[in-house]
Amino acid sequence: GAGVSQSPRYKVAKRGQDVALRCDPISGHVSLFWYQQALGQGPEFLTYFQNEAQLDKSGLPSDRFFAERPEGSVSTLKIQRTQQEDSAVYLCASSLNMNTEAFFGQGTRLTVV
Amino acid sequence: QKEVEQDPGPLSVPEGAIVSLNCTYSNSAFQYFMWYRQYSRKGPELLMYTYSSGNKEDGRFTAQVDKSSKYISLFIRDSQPSDSATYLCAMSGGSYIPTFGRGTSLIVHP
Repeated sequence: GAGVSQSPRYKVAKRGQDVALRCDPISGHVSLFWYQQALGQGPEFLTYFQNEAQLDKSGLPSDRFFAERPEGSVSTLKIQRTQQEDSAVYLCASSLNMNTEAFFGQGTRLTVV
Repeated sequence: QKEVEQDPGPLSVPEGAIVSLNCTYSNSAFQYFMWYRQYSRKGPELLMYTYSSGNKEDGRFTAQVDKSSKYISLFIRDSQPSDSATYLCAMSGGSYIPTFGRGTSLIVHP
């Protein structure tokens, strides 16, 4: 596809459940970002990949959050033992390289009940 | 205090008005400046991307960057109801990671 694709679009998880969110970046894009967006707020940085290397994970809120991009293309954000405060929209963005335009997917809306 | 400050609004204007949206920032390392538009329940859509200080125009949109004041603006001319959305500013520098403002909600009423 032409844009960044995220799946699922919506996810409802029971508290304590593990979830996996998928991001398909634009083909050929080296950089990939994950952001968390709470209602009424701007996106907050979670983690950054350049190809398969995770160069920055300083935004991950706890060790329950884990991200990978094993072949430098598709990325997965995993949240273990979900809690209510994890409810948010998780956005993925990709860019051709460092400091070029970043393009976002539609996001995955996670609701933890 | 956050690195990027943006008034959340809402900003309500009549159709045809000129809209001015602004952000201030504190990190002098920021060199790349972006404006995104986000409709409800959608991902952010890139509108403008500029490097360093100066102006950039694209159709009805003009982006301005004043690095000396750490202040950026987005102007929308001849605003339309379809421009009603949240506008997010973002910026990056040495870390290459865009940092976002909280967004300004814009309502253009007919």
